Amino acid sequence: AQTVTQSQPEMSVQEAETVTLSCTYDTSENNYYLFWYKQPPSRQMILVIRQEAYKQQNATENRFSVNFQKAAKSFSLKISDSQLGDTAMYFCAFIFNAGNMLTFGGGTRLMVKP
Amino acid sequence: ETGVTQTPRHLVMGMTNKKSLKCEQHLGHNAMYWYKQSAKKPLELMFVYSLEERVENNSVPSRFSPECPNSSHLFLHLHTLQPEDSALYLCASSQEPSPSSNEQFFGPGTRLTVL
Repeated sequence: AQTVTQSQPEMSVQEAETVTLSCTYDTSENNYYLFWYKQPPSRQMILVIRQEAYKQQNATENRFSVNFQKAAKSFSLKISDSQLGDTAMYFCAFIFNAGNMLTFGGGTRLMVKP
Repeated sequence: ETGVTQTPRHLVMGMTNKKSLKCEQHLGHNAMYWYKQSAKKPLELMFVYSLEERVENNSVPSRFSPECPNSSHLFLHLHTLQPEDSALYLCASSQEPSPSSNEQFFGPGTRLTVL
């Protein structure tokens, strides 16, 4: 069975600063995808960034980037130049290649302070 | 409407009531999902439908009954619920098989309170 662990229940960061959210996972699979989802207060969950396990290059989407360490089974999210709109719950998630069952971590509540 | 929509957005029901949650996706996807999001717990996958067939029932109590009449609609029928069933119920959809990453698109959720 797969597990996803987010060890930081809550974090805060000053506006314009950089913050890193941690995620570790456990699987015996070799082909899989990792995701970071963002759930703003009272709003829809949206995908922030995805990483294919077979790609060594870390994914980047504008201010969001990941540090994917496959051997260590670590998948952290870095948010640069934090904005007030980044305040949200962030969920790390895992899925097999060709699978359809997402396994989520417990979430990290991020507060961006002005 | 675009994306994944859910109705109602909020629902309060007694333990003896029967109610239904509705999900509709406008993305042309062929797989749909129900998740339960409780406070201080990871999201729990409840049901998976692919091509209108149920492919996963993640040990969910029978007081939750899903229905998928077509690839665009998914229902969750509720009856004789317990207070601990109070949670945010999220619907999601995806395209199977996926050409890239099996990304799931989520609806806004239904906030359910069972009295």
